[in-house]
Amino acid sequence: AQKITQTQPGMFVQEKEAVTLDCTYDTSDQSYGLFWYKQPSSGEMIFLIYQGSYDEQNATEGRYSLNFQKARKSANLVISASQLGDSAMYFCAMRADNTGGFKTIFGAGTRLFVKA
Amino acid sequence: AAGVIQSPRHLIKEKRETATLKCYPIPRHDTVYWYQQGPGQDPQFLISFYEKMQSDKGSIPDRFSAQQFSDYHSELNMSSLELGDSALYFCASSSRTVQETQYFGPGTRLLVL
Repeated sequence: AQKITQTQPGMFVQEKEAVTLDCTYDTSDQSYGLFWYKQPSSGEMIFLIYQGSYDEQNATEGRYSLNFQKARKSANLVISASQLGDSAMYFCAMRADNTGGFKTIFGAGTRLFVKA
Repeated sequence: AAGVIQSPRHLIKEKRETATLKCYPIPRHDTVYWYQQGPGQDPQFLISFYEKMQSDKGSIPDRFSAQQFSDYHSELNMSSLELGDSALYFCASSSRTVQETQYFGPGTRLLVL
């Protein structure tokens, strides 16, 4: 069965510092995609970054980078130079190519608080 | 850039009523997904459509049905509403020609009284 685990219900970080949000996953599929989404208090789901299972390089998007360790089945999100606007819920998600379906499963989320 | 459009943004219904949520995917996206997010929970996958055919099914109650139309917009029909159906309903779309990142709409917040 596929599963996403985010073990940090909440995290605090000082403004301008870097923070790592943990994500581990479990799948028996060889081909899969890993995603991070940000959900501010307003409710929308904002796509941040994607990592494919066959990508050898870690994905980066501006201040976001994904620390992909395939053998450990982890896909941690690193946010550099935190900003007050980064305070939000962050979801790690996985899409696996199982029987042609493309559903995505989400972890429970990590709520990030950025302190001034 | 165009985003996923959902309507209505907010909806209040009473128990046992019906509701229809609409989703307009990003242009040229051929796949639509529906998710339900309860208060303080992660999004739960309900159902998806690819090229107007159902492609995957999650934890969608039998009281709910959905379809994708020829213009790729999708509708989620919910009948015999229950209090527990109160949630944020997201539609997402993706294209199978790229990395299949799902882009989410703003959501429809449904409150069942």
